[in-house]
Amino acid sequence: AQTVTQSQPEMSVQEAETVTLSCTYDTSESNYYLFWYKQPPSRQMILVIRQEAYKQQNATENRFSVNFQKAAKSFSLKISDSQLGDTAMYFCAFMKQGADGLTFGKGTHLIIQP
Amino acid sequence: NAGVTQTPKFRVLKTGQSMTLLCAQDMNHEYMYWYRQDPGMGLRLIHYSVGEGTTAKGEVPDGYNVSRLKKQNFLLGLESAAPSQTSVYFCASSYSGVLAPANYGYTFGSGTRLTVV
Repeated sequence: AQTVTQSQPEMSVQEAETVTLSCTYDTSESNYYLFWYKQPPSRQMILVIRQEAYKQQNATENRFSVNFQKAAKSFSLKISDSQLGDTAMYFCAFMKQGADGLTFGKGTHLIIQP
Repeated sequence: NAGVTQTPKFRVLKTGQSMTLLCAQDMNHEYMYWYRQDPGMGLRLIHYSVGEGTTAKGEVPDGYNVSRLKKQNFLLGLESAAPSQTSVYFCASSYSGVLAPANYGYTFGSGTRLTVV
């Protein structure tokens, strides 16, 4: 079974700062995928970014980027130029190939202060 | 709008009562999932289905039953609700295939907040 650990229950930064959310995982799978999901107060689950484990290049999506360290089983999310709308719960998630669904971490509550 | 629709959005049950949560998707997805979200616990998989007529247990299946009689619908049942089942329940769906969930992602419903008193 896979486990996903997010060690920061809550983080708070000032608007326009850069913030990094941590995620580690444990798996014996060789082919897998990693995701970051955002959950604002509306409760909707929004995909932020995804990373294929076989790709060495770190994924980027506008202000969001990841630092994927496969050997260390680490998958951190960096948010640059943070905005008030980034305030939300952020979940790291793991998926192996197949239909088993996602394994989520416990989440990090990110607060962007004006 | 296309997507995943969950009904109801809110519900209060008394201990021992039964209810069914409905998830409907109009994207012709094969895979469907039920998760529960509790404070400080993230989302945990209850049951899932890889196609019409199939179901499988996830991480926390006890106290729940599911059915997938139609491809577009995935029902989650609580036969005798307990306070420990107070949670927010999310349904999700995805295309089938080894790489499809990674390539196309999951579509989540907006959740059902269930309180058992």
